Amino acid sequence: DIVMTQSPDSLAVSLGERATINCKSSQSVLYSSNNKNYLAWYQQKPGQPPKLLLYWASTRESGVPDRFSGSGSGTDFTLTISSLQAEDVAVYYCHQCYTTPRTFGQGTKVEIK
Amino acid sequence: QVQLVQSGAEVKKPGASVKVSCKASGYTFTNYNLHWVRQAPGQGLECMGIINPSGGTTNYAQKFQGRLTMTRDTSTSTVYMELSSLRSEDTAVYYCAREGGENGGTLDSWGQGTLVTVSS
Repeated sequence: DIVMTQSPDSLAVSLGERATINCKSSQSVLYSSNNKNYLAWYQQKPGQPPKLLLYWASTRESGVPDRFSGSGSGTDFTLTISSLQAEDVAVYYCHQCYTTPRTFGQGTKVEIK
Repeated sequence: QVQLVQSGAEVKKPGASVKVSCKASGYTFTNYNLHWVRQAPGQGLECMGIINPSGGTTNYAQKFQGRLTMTRDTSTSTVYMELSSLRSEDTAVYYCAREGGENGGTLDSWGQGTLVTVSS
């Protein structure tokens, strides 16, 4: 199974400041035939199901604010919230869609400092 | 719009089975795989398996082999997840989620979740 490891486990950021979450996969999730990374990011607020933010590592899902961005390739990825808003308080998960079983990172809790 | 509506909360005794339903609407049911993902209290997300509603083929995570059965009813656009030999560690919220077609197979729509509590 591909193991997804996120860092940090939690972080506290001031409103308007940048939040950065890292995700590392135990093997590459880059599909060579189309040069796409099968890596997604989700946001989960308490009592709600996860919400898709980004796919192919950096493509924003429709309706997702542009303060959310993703980068990386192969095994190392980053989710950046450029200017943290109060409504961004949540747990964020990376997820590999490259192979089965699909696997998630352990989650990163983002709070307001 | 795409909607996945799950059945209600369940309380089961250890050793029993639970069957959770997920009714899809707003899209062509047989065109998209459906996944089951669970989340234990205060924990992360765990993929259990996938069902192809068109042919009914399934792919289960090794951890659940022998205890997990996913089925579908195309006449009602509903998928089912049955987990047997329940133990306390199976207490979790169970989600169904649709695998998108044009977004690298990510899970683009989720059910509201079904809490399954296993307790004697």
